[in-house]
Amino acid sequence: NAGVMQNPRHLVRRRGQEARLRCSPMKGHSHVYWYRQLPEEGLKFMVYLQKENIIDESGMPKERFSAEFPKEGPSILRIQQVVRGDSAAYFCASSGQQNTIYFGEGSWLTVV
Amino acid sequence: DAKTTQPTSMDCAEGRAANLPCNHSTISGNEYVYWYRQIHSQGPQYIIHGLKNNETNEMASLIITEDRKSSTLILPHATLRDTAVYYCIVRVANSGGSNYKLTFGKGTLLTVNP
Repeated sequence: NAGVMQNPRHLVRRRGQEARLRCSPMKGHSHVYWYRQLPEEGLKFMVYLQKENIIDESGMPKERFSAEFPKEGPSILRIQQVVRGDSAAYFCASSGQQNTIYFGEGSWLTVV
Repeated sequence: DAKTTQPTSMDCAEGRAANLPCNHSTISGNEYVYWYRQIHSQGPQYIIHGLKNNETNEMASLIITEDRKSSTLILPHATLRDTAVYYCIVRVANSGGSNYKLTFGKGTLLTVNP
């Protein structure tokens, strides 16, 4: 898991607030993926991005969730107007030319 | 949807080899077999991957049958720290500049006992 940096590691938000999760991919990687893991459930794909482009967002909820990976800076997963059901671990991963995907340690969101 | 089948759970004695099976009978010619594991409250960790030849690295060995319909991940000397959920995933190789996502199933909970 070394190299993919996520922050914050833990985030507490009240219902209705916004949550922003950041992900810096491994050096040299230009592909970023976001996954969500609800309590006691499996890892679910959310979105796949390359620099400035969303390639596959088939797993993203239609409302309140958005992701970006700008030309400069980290990838951001943004959740607006959070609800209790958004409480989960959010994992970012990255890959490069070698194609192997490496994960970060996750950001744990708790909505109170 | 995940295209692999794994046992729900397995036990292994510390110091012994752990052999984790995976069935992927519908695998396509351009799909690799990947193995990841997730230790409790941590991010998934890449272990190994292969196409059709057996592979070995510092963590594990991957044995793929000749027809590619199944594979086995071998941890040669399991330790207590190897207790985790192990995921077997098939994934298309890189094509046209875009990589492909990983689709996780339920995996196998491997418990290494002292």
